[in-house]
Amino acid sequence: DADVTQTPRNRITKTGKRIMLECSQTKGHDRMYWYRQDPGLGLRLIYYSFDVKDINKGEISDGYSVSRQAQAKFSLSLESAIPNQTALYFCATSDVGEGGYTFGSGTRLTVV
Amino acid sequence: AQSVTQLGSHVSVSEGALVLLRCNYSSSVPPYLFWYVQYPNQGLQLLLKYTSAATLVKGINGFEAEFKKSETSFHLTKPSAHMSDAAEYFCAVSSGGTSYGKLTFGQGTILTVHP
Repeated sequence: DADVTQTPRNRITKTGKRIMLECSQTKGHDRMYWYRQDPGLGLRLIYYSFDVKDINKGEISDGYSVSRQAQAKFSLSLESAIPNQTALYFCATSDVGEGGYTFGSGTRLTVV
Repeated sequence: AQSVTQLGSHVSVSEGALVLLRCNYSSSVPPYLFWYVQYPNQGLQLLLKYTSAATLVKGINGFEAEFKKSETSFHLTKPSAHMSDAAEYFCAVSSGGTSYGKLTFGQGTILTVHP
């Protein structure tokens, strides 16, 4: 099994629908992150969590929310999806002091 | 605040040629710097990282990068390109302090390797 698992891998949804992207990890890391990737823009941080009781907004949090259900689980929700949220979404984890991320394989989301 | 600029969104080289991918960073405190690689339809994989030890860092697959504080650069090199190096490469910075562990990524550079 992968260290960081994202579900679903691909999703097509309609404008206005609520959708949840899930992330689980077996690394035992406290820190988890959600990024979105758009061509030519690199990866931009949506939300991050340094432990179960800690949730922080990233640079592009508008239109998104998150839930840290346990150390191993961090979910991203789009309350009312819009077409410009079409992107590749990545979950990542890191350990304190390690300074590097372990990434999931990504969720490709299309909003029509 | 921290930021990363990757010079060149696309780089094309011949197989066996030198690979040079450029990265400049901005950070108000001593940075930690990273290079990641993304193969098609996959997540990002760590190539190498600089965390204030040796300024020349060796990574996987024959890549290395040199931290140059005076130039605020962390360019990625490989002496001889292989077809399997074709991918997208991302430079990232973490500035420590309360933001330690939170990476800011560059825009990415797509490397194409020609036979």
